This record gives sequence, C-alpha cells and structure tokens, in this order.
Amino acid sequence: KQEVTQIPAALSVPEGENLVLNCSFTDSAIYNLQWFRQDPGKGLTSLLLIQSSQREQTSGRLNASLDKSSGRSTLYIAASQPGDSATYLCAVMNLNSGGYQKVTFGTGTKLQVIP
Amino acid sequence: GAGVSQSPSNKVTEKGKDVELRCDPISGHTALYWYRQSLGQGLEFLIYFQGNSAPDKSGLPSDRFSAERTGGSVSTLTIQRTQQEDSAVYLCASSLFPRGRRETQYFGPGTRLLVL
Repeated sequence: KQEVTQIPAALSVPEGENLVLNCSFTDSAIYNLQWFRQDPGKGLTSLLLIQSSQREQTSGRLNASLDKSSGRSTLYIAASQPGDSATYLCAVMNLNSGGYQKVTFGTGTKLQVIP
Repeated sequence: GAGVSQSPSNKVTEKGKDVELRCDPISGHTALYWYRQSLGQGLEFLIYFQGNSAPDKSGLPSDRFSAERTGGSVSTLTIQRTQQEDSAVYLCASSLFPRGRRETQYFGPGTRLLVL
C-alpha cells in the first residue's frame, strides 16, 4: 500500500525566502507525481506534474524534482510571496494490476509567507 | 473554458438520509475521480472512472457509497444512510486520458457535506 508523507506539516517564512517542501513515498513504482496547492475553502489547483521517467519540472518560480529510487520529491519555491500562502499537496499515482490509476495524497504542508 | 463543477456546494443532512453529489467534468476529459477530505485529514481516493470502462471502486469506504457516470460525462456520488463520519468535503477531478501531460488532474471546488 502506497503511503505518502509530507514534511514539514507547516512552515512559516518571511517574504522573499526560497523554500523547499518535501514529499516521500513508500512504493517507488509510481506512474507520476503531482503537486497541488489548496487554498482555504477552495478546490485544488495543479502546479506541476512529473512523469515517472522525468527528473524535474519547472513552472515560473516553482521547480519540482523526483527521485524515484529514493522515494522522494521536492517542491522548490523561489522568492516566496504572500500569495504563495496555501496548503501544498503531493499526490502519487500508481497503476494497479488491473491497470487502474490509484492516487494517494500526502497530508500536505501548510505554508504561510509573512509580508 | 469551463472547469470542473460540483453541486451542491454545501449540503447539510440528517443522519440516515441519502445524499447525491454531482460532478460535471471538463468537456472531453475521459477520466474522473472522486476524493474526500475529512477535517484535518489528507485527501482520500474514493473511485475512478475511465471512459466507459467499469470503475475502480477500491477506495469506497463502505457499501453505502456508490457512484455512477452517465454517458462518460457527468458523475453522481451517492451516500446512503449517511453517518456523521461521512461529513467531509467531497472533491471531484477530471483528466484527459491516456498518458502524457494530459494526465494533470483538474479539481472542482468540492461539496461540503455535514451530517447532523
């Protein structure tokens, strides 16, 4: 059974800092990994998707890396802004024996960027 | 274009009643997912539909939960004889299958269910 852990659970940083969010998973036979943000009272917004064959993806100030062998992914946020304050979720997709997709989410990292 | 929509946005019901939650995926997306997020918990996968194939129901927590997807588009999640522990935010997502960058999941705003 896939288990996804995110550390830290909460993080508070001053505006402008670079920061790293961590995601670890127990079953390295993943199909892909996706990072989301969740704002209070709202749905999830997809940030980056990394295929199992890829090592990293970049979008603006965000960079996500994937190391399947060690069961880890990191989300790097450069020059953080107050608008980055949200809960960040890591989601790992596996394919089961029937070829079905199964997505396991981490519990998230709640980020607060202080102006 | 329109994103994933869900209705109702909020639902308050009495214990023992049945509820139906609706999801309209992005047009053309063949994959549809239901999740729930209980207070203070992570997202829990419930069920996955791919086109007209039989759904993967392995995440449904009990036989009181069922879901349908009519015509490969709109989906309804039904909870029978609701219990207080069913209170959660129910999220629906869709993605464009098959493989590739189109696997990105797009989420709806969720339905907040409160069982009294």
